[in-house]
Amino acid sequence: GENVEQHPSTLSVQEGDSAVIKCTYSDSASNYFPWYKQELGKRPQLIIDIRSNVGEKKDQRIAVTLNKTAKHFSLHITETQPEDSAVYFCAASGSNTGKLIFGQGTTLQVKP
Amino acid sequence: DTAVSQTPKYLVTQMGNDKSIKCEQNLGHDTMYWYKQDSKKFLKIMFSYNNKELIINETVPNRFSPKSPDKAHLNLHINSLELGDSAVYFCASSQNEGIKKAFFGQGTRLTVV
Repeated sequence: GENVEQHPSTLSVQEGDSAVIKCTYSDSASNYFPWYKQELGKRPQLIIDIRSNVGEKKDQRIAVTLNKTAKHFSLHITETQPEDSAVYFCAASGSNTGKLIFGQGTTLQVKP
Repeated sequence: DTAVSQTPKYLVTQMGNDKSIKCEQNLGHDTMYWYKQDSKKFLKIMFSYNNKELIINETVPNRFSPKSPDKAHLNLHINSLELGDSAVYFCASSQNEGIKKAFFGQGTRLTVV
């Protein structure tokens, strides 16, 4: 069935370091891969996304890469700041229904 | 000027009660969703409506019944609440054409006691 595996479950970095979160999806029909940031008690916020016809996308300090052959995609955050601390979710979608299959989430802690 | 808004934000109720959560979006989207986030933060889709028509119904107990009076609203009614229903419920919406970027409401924290 449809499944998205996300690692690591927790990640602690020093301010200014880079953080990488990895996801693997099972449904080869998946063609859209968004990343959401959820701060404590808040809603998931879309921070970046990538389509299956693109290998990499960057937006300031965040970037996402996609390896469609291996069914892997990753989130890269450079020059991390304390306000980057949150839970990050990857997701995959392949149907025209817009249904998102989420990974288990990664709790990122950026230490000042 | 919230894009996707849901009410109430918090809901505490006793087992066996019936409760509703309301959701409205002003983005002009045709598709709306309900997601459930459990105590381990896992997000899972429950339902999706496209232009008032049910298109996704995951394995959810039939005590949960979504209702969409129009494409800007998707409400969730829950009958005979159980302890295990305690979770945060998020409404979301996405555009109908092209990439369906989903935007979430602020969530409703349901606590069943």
